[in-house]
Amino acid sequence: EVKLAQSGGEVKKPGESLRISCKGSGYNFANSWINWVRQMPGKGLEWMGRIDPRSSDAHYSPAFQGHVTVSADRSINTAYLQWSSLEASDTGIYYCATLPRIWGQGTLVTVSS
Amino acid sequence: DIQMTQSPSSLSASVGDRISITCQASQDINSLLNWYQQKPGKTPKLLIYDASHLESGVPSRFAGSGSGTVFTLTIAGLQPEDFATYYCEQHDIRISFGGGTKVEI
Repeated sequence: EVKLAQSGGEVKKPGESLRISCKGSGYNFANSWINWVRQMPGKGLEWMGRIDPRSSDAHYSPAFQGHVTVSADRSINTAYLQWSSLEASDTGIYYCATLPRIWGQGTLVTVSS
Repeated sequence: DIQMTQSPSSLSASVGDRISITCQASQDINSLLNWYQQKPGKTPKLLIYDASHLESGVPSRFAGSGSGTVFTLTIAGLQPEDFATYYCEQHDIRISFGGGTKVEI
C-alpha cells in the first residue's frame, strides 16, 4: 500500500521549536517531491513548500520562507517540517503530500501559552 | 507567485442540482490545474487532474474544463455525498491553492 504516515499531534508554547515527520512507504520515496500543506482551523489549504528527497532541493512559498524548514532523509524514507520558534498563528493541521494523489493523515499542531 | 481566485466561496444547492465552481489564475498555467474535494476531518481527495482528466474511481458527474487562466469544475446532479469543500490547485509554477468553495444544502 502506498502511504505517507505522519507523526502525532503536538502541543507547544510560543517560542518553542518543533519538527514533525512524514514517512513514505509502498513506493520509491526518492522519486517524488514531498509537499507540505497547512490548514488553519476552519480555513483553506495553503502550500508551504516542498523537497526533492533525491537531491534535497527545496522550494518555499513566500508566505512561509524563513519561518519553516523542510528536509528529508532518503535513507529512512522520511521528510520533515520544522520550526525554530513557533507562534500561536502556527496552530493548524499540517499535511505532507506527494500531490496530487498521496496525502498523509495530517498532524495537528497546537501552539498556545 | 501565481494567485488562484476561486468563486464562489460558498454556495447553497439541492440534491440533483447542477453546479459550477470557477478558478481564475493570475497568469497562464498551461492546464496544470487539479481539483480536490475535502470533507470535514478528512484529507483532500483528487477529483480532476490537469484541468479535465477524471481521476480513476471518481463519478462521471464531476467534470473539469478550461485552459489558460480560467477553469471550471462542474457537478451534474449533486448527490448527498457531494456536499463538501472544493479546492483548485495549480502546479505550473510552484504550487498554490484556491481559497475553496463550500457546497452546502
